[in-house]
Amino acid sequence: EVQLVESGGGLVQPGGSLRLSCAASGFTLSRYWMHWVRQVPGKGLVWVSLISSDGSRTNYAGSEKGRFTISRDDAKNTLYLQMNGLRAEDSAVYYCVRDIGWSALDTWGQGTVVTVSS
Amino acid sequence: DIVMTQAPLSLSVTPGQPASISCKSSQSLLSTDGKTCLYWYMQKPGQSPQLLIYEVSSRFSGVPDRFSGSGSGTDFTLNISRVEAEDVGLYYCMQGVHSPLTFGGGTKVEIK
Repeated sequence: EVQLVESGGGLVQPGGSLRLSCAASGFTLSRYWMHWVRQVPGKGLVWVSLISSDGSRTNYAGSEKGRFTISRDDAKNTLYLQMNGLRAEDSAVYYCVRDIGWSALDTWGQGTVVTVSS
Repeated sequence: DIVMTQAPLSLSVTPGQPASISCKSSQSLLSTDGKTCLYWYMQKPGQSPQLLIYEVSSRFSGVPDRFSGSGSGTDFTLNISRVEAEDVGLYYCMQGVHSPLTFGGGTKVEIK
């Protein structure tokens, strides 16, 4: 079964850091582009970042540039999102998502909750 | 950034009746290789989103044939031919032709 399981969320103070992890199973992570998408409870979906299958290309939404870093460890079949300089507006559920081509996002994790608050 | 505008915000449908959701993009979603990168996702209450339709009109694996997508350029529609109780949830369109990927604001489908 194809599955993505996120972890690493939690409560952090403004200005703090978190590293989200996404463990992939049932498929070979290295063959796919991967994304992070976030959602404030009760609100819509917002794309955060992507990484190409070979890791050579990354991209970020405007507000995350310079603060977030997406990476992957294909040997561990794991995707990461390093988040620094966290702000209250970064509070959300963060989903790890698989891209099967041309931005068709076919598999979503269950999400991990990030809360930025003092 | 491409703005995706969905309508209506919410829809209350009698089981067995059709439903239609509109999605308009602020720019053409036609890619350089001829694909139109418009997708529809459904998020059931308490669950993660799931892919329903890719490239405007292709149903994803396992999606019932009562779901269909249509449109071109900047105007797109998701149709549910006969709404069932399990179709309750939020529906989002998304464009994938230009970075950043952007989603519509969502349409909530409820059962009368």
